[in-house]
Amino acid sequence: DAGVIQSPRHEVTEMGQEVTLRCKPISGHNSLFWYRQTMMRGLELLIYFNNNVPIDDSGMPEDRFSAKMPNASFSTLKIQPSEPRDSAVYFCASSPTGERNIQYFGAGTRLSVL
Amino acid sequence: DAKTTQPNSMESNEEEPVHLPCNHSTISGTDYIHWYRQLPSQGPEYVIHGLTSNVNNRMASLAIAEDRKSSTLILHRATLRDAAVYYCILRGGTSYGKLTFGQGTILTVHP
Repeated sequence: DAGVIQSPRHEVTEMGQEVTLRCKPISGHNSLFWYRQTMMRGLELLIYFNNNVPIDDSGMPEDRFSAKMPNASFSTLKIQPSEPRDSAVYFCASSPTGERNIQYFGAGTRLSVL
Repeated sequence: DAKTTQPNSMESNEEEPVHLPCNHSTISGTDYIHWYRQLPSQGPEYVIHGLTSNVNNRMASLAIAEDRKSSTLILHRATLRDAAVYYCILRGGTSYGKLTFGQGTILTVHP
């Protein structure tokens, strides 16, 4: 099993540009989570999906952020327009439904907005 | 979500046991206690979890107080590769498994 796959691993962009982060969850997992990690705020949950449906997006910082899960094997997190304060490491995680609910994290995308 | 309290940092020597404490005095009856760790430049990884009884797996042991208001993650023989940030998290009893990460404990392992 390849685990959760995120792309790109690193992204450098200029303020105002659109950024799209991608995630492929582990096959068979029903839940998908997007997190953001910064030194100041630590690891924050942005949004999570269950069976491709967004369940809780209360962590999404503002309307510039949007996330989609068109099918069970793919999700995107989009920032439009990007700002320097969006610079962070963004992690995707997936989890099987059930009592254990262990989350498996990808390697993350390091985003730098100049 | 019920909160957890962990020391900011701890140190250990290689080959020695490490006991990482976590306080969760407002835990509810349906909250599971999860531990994750994050190695440098990596995503978090699951370590262990439990509800009421002590748990053991190949990575660590989890000791849960009888009143469930605290728990301890035990690494039986620390190695340099165990140097990481360790997070103690309470997970509610829903089927979606939402996790709320705190600041965690930075574990330094000395050779």
